[in-house]
Amino acid sequence: GAVVSQHPSRVICKSGTSVKIECRSLDFQATTMFWYRQFPKKSLMLMATSNEGSKATYEQGVEKDKFLINHASLTLSTLTVTSAHPEDSSFYICSAPSAGRYEQFFGPGTRLTVL
Amino acid sequence: GIQVEQSPPDLILQEGANSTLRCNFSDSVNNLQWFHQNPWGQLINLFYIPSGTKQNGRLSATTVATERYSLLYISSSQTTDSGVYFCAVASGNTPLVFGKGTRLSVIA
Repeated sequence: GAVVSQHPSRVICKSGTSVKIECRSLDFQATTMFWYRQFPKKSLMLMATSNEGSKATYEQGVEKDKFLINHASLTLSTLTVTSAHPEDSSFYICSAPSAGRYEQFFGPGTRLTVL
Repeated sequence: GIQVEQSPPDLILQEGANSTLRCNFSDSVNNLQWFHQNPWGQLINLFYIPSGTKQNGRLSATTVATERYSLLYISSSQTTDSGVYFCAVASGNTPLVFGKGTRLSVIA
């Protein structure tokens, strides 16, 4: 299957700082990537759809100025959590469909802890 | 939007037992995937199965698209099968919608 990587895998930061998370498709091009968030013992909830070369589409209730998404190339999407607060602590996971396929492939996730 | 319901929410098995996990969805889909989330959070792709039946070792899955449900079978369960199993569905290249998962514990 196709491979999606994320970096970093784990980050701890102080309240008020910004954190950037990278999502890369390693062996395929992805014009679309998806960002999900997962709280402990809960399911994955879609945050936004990242579109290469255009603005991201955010789900209702997700602040676009808080969670900045940039999809600058066909293999890279970034999620920046701006002015992070403890309530932003969560597990963030990205996914992408491989070209010509509906099946989606997920990155290993990034665990963010805001102190 | 599409609703996804998984059952049971929790399941405890003795090692060696078999189990069936169910996923019901509310609308037509052309993507249905089963995942196992390991203790580190990584989603392991088990099956891409919008219809039909597939088998991979001790695991198999069946999706009956016309009746909007899918089943995941685990045979001869092992302690390493423990974790959360998610079903997720989508139409076209839209994002996957996840069920709440089944938390499986296999005890020796």
